Amino acid sequence: GAVVSQHPSRVICKSGTSVKIECRSLDFQATTMFWYRQFPKKSLMLMATSNEGSKATYEQGVEKDKFLINHASLTLSTLTVTSAHPEDSSFYICSARDPAGGPGDTQYFGPGTRLTVL
Amino acid sequence: GDSVTQMEGPVTLSEEAFLTINCTYTATGYPSLFWYVQYPGEGLQLLLKATKADDKGSNKGFEATYRKETTSFHLEKGSVQVSDSAVYFCALSDHGNNRLAFGKGNQVVVIP
Repeated sequence: GAVVSQHPSRVICKSGTSVKIECRSLDFQATTMFWYRQFPKKSLMLMATSNEGSKATYEQGVEKDKFLINHASLTLSTLTVTSAHPEDSSFYICSARDPAGGPGDTQYFGPGTRLTVL
Repeated sequence: GDSVTQMEGPVTLSEEAFLTINCTYTATGYPSLFWYVQYPGEGLQLLLKATKADDKGSNKGFEATYRKETTSFHLEKGSVQVSDSAVYFCALSDHGNNRLAFGKGNQVVVIP
């Protein structure tokens, strides 16, 4: 099946620094990737939709200048949390849509990145 | 807008018990429906899906049927194992924008 990887799996950083998270589709080309944020014991909150070669579409309430998304190739999207603060600590999960995956618009999810900002 | 509602609260049951997790949805069109499972510390894995009314998705002993008349997609498994302990999310996808709407998830704990 389709595999999506994320790197790093865990990161701890100091307040005020920036952190980059990578999301890769390993065995398919993903024209669209999605970034989610998950709070403890909560559901996933869609942050933005990342389209290859164009600007990301952010959900209402998500600061585009704080959460920079780049989708430079069909297999890689990156999320950069700029000037991170403790309230940005969370579990960030990406997903990729496999356009060749048949009906149902199936999204395949990465394993997630646990960000802790001290 | 499109939304998914899952039954409130965690589900605790004994090994080999029957599991049902309710899921209902609201959508303007004809969405695809999914169940995803999240094991502790991991991302989401697609468990099963159904793309049109009356379709039945199945995988690893789990089943769910797309019921348009009741706008439901309840997840069932006849005999759960300890390894099924996880959080289960119901979701729908609007074909128009490819976005997934998730339910709040249900923590399932299977006791030996």
